[in-house]
Amino acid sequence: GDSVTQMEGPVTLSEEAFLTINCTYTATGYPSLFWYVQYPGEGLQLLLKATKADDKGSNKGFEATYRKETTSFHLEKGSVQVSDSAVYFCALTPNAGGTSYGKLTFGQGTILTVHP
Amino acid sequence: NAGVMQNPRHLVRRRGQEARLRCSPMKGHSHVYWYRQLPEEGLKFMVYLQKENIIDESGMPKERFSAEFPKEGPSILRIQQVVRGDSAAYFCASSGGTPEAFFGQGTRLTVV
Repeated sequence: GDSVTQMEGPVTLSEEAFLTINCTYTATGYPSLFWYVQYPGEGLQLLLKATKADDKGSNKGFEATYRKETTSFHLEKGSVQVSDSAVYFCALTPNAGGTSYGKLTFGQGTILTVHP
Repeated sequence: NAGVMQNPRHLVRRRGQEARLRCSPMKGHSHVYWYRQLPEEGLKFMVYLQKENIIDESGMPKERFSAEFPKEGPSILRIQQVVRGDSAAYFCASSGGTPEAFFGQGTRLTVV
């Protein structure tokens, strides 16, 4: 079955440092890939997405590129802020038409803490 | 345009009681998904519903758990005879047939 593996956490950085959170996946066909962010006590918010190979998703300074050859979707940000402290989830959904959208397979999440 | 609405935000139940969790999808969305997040873990898919139909319940525990999405009103996740292991955050998501889902803020169930 489908699976998503995220880098081991937690990740602790100083403000303005460069961020990378690794994500690799196993899936048949061509899934859509997502990064979600969860702030303490809140639900998940979609951060960015990519629906086909070589697509780059970007939002709020975060970027991730859909790499089919390495089955990866690593999250990067050039300069993190304290407000970026949250849990980040990589996820996929199979591209099998509308009936599968929203049925997400999640990675285990990576806790990011950014210090001033 | 209101997002996905879940209520209650927090729910406390004694062992053996029933828990009912409600989810109203985003306007125009007809696909509803329920997920469970156990402490220190990621989200796990439970069930996928459309109006009056269960499409995929492959992630639902075999006993005590049920879900519905009636023609009128919110989707309901029902847990009968709750046990301490049911304590978790339950999230609902909705989609409109595009490759992204929108999540509610979740219901945090505590079984005492």
